[in-house]
Amino acid sequence: GENVEQHPSTLSVQEGDSAVIKCTYSDSASNYFPWYKQELGKGPQLIIDIRSNVGEKKDQRIAVTLNKTAKHFSLHITETQPEDSAVYFCAARPAPTDTGRRALTFGSGTRLQVQP
Amino acid sequence: EPEVTQTPSHQVTQMGQEVILRCVPISNHLYFYWYRQILGQKVEFLVSFYNNEISEKSEIFDDQFSVERPDGSNFTLKIRSTKLEDSAMYFCASSLGYDSPLHFGNGTRLTVT
Repeated sequence: GENVEQHPSTLSVQEGDSAVIKCTYSDSASNYFPWYKQELGKGPQLIIDIRSNVGEKKDQRIAVTLNKTAKHFSLHITETQPEDSAVYFCAARPAPTDTGRRALTFGSGTRLQVQP
Repeated sequence: EPEVTQTPSHQVTQMGQEVILRCVPISNHLYFYWYRQILGQKVEFLVSFYNNEISEKSEIFDDQFSVERPDGSNFTLKIRSTKLEDSAMYFCASSLGYDSPLHFGNGTRLTVT
């Protein structure tokens, strides 16, 4: 099955700096890669996603890049703000196949702390 | 913005007891999921449900677990005889289509004593 590795486990940055979180995946059949933000006591909230037919996607201060050949994808947050502090999870999901496997596999999470 | 709602937010039960965790998915969504997160660990897939049947399940989802959509709005997870290791945060999610993004609820914290 799919295995998603995520680094770093913790990341502390100064307000205004950029933050980068990296993930690798093992299953070449994966074609959908979402990123979730989890605040304390809440469920994962989708912040951005990318599909394997594109290499980069941007939404204001957040961007995601995907390298299918190397099987890695990254989350970039620019001009970080204290409210960006949370745990961020990457995930991967395979394309539909006869096996019916469609479950999201999550990385282990990155705790981002933005210091004011 | 529509959201997935889960009740209760916290459930405490004794080992061996049955629990039912409840979810109301987003109303026009067709695919429903349960995930769990043991404290400090990654979010793990349990089961997906579509068209009134299980479409996929993980090794965690053994005979002690079952899911049901008893009416047009609720989606439930039942744990028949809880064990200490079932203590975790359980998240319900839903998606519009099989290839659509998942939207998660805020979870039910299950504590088995």
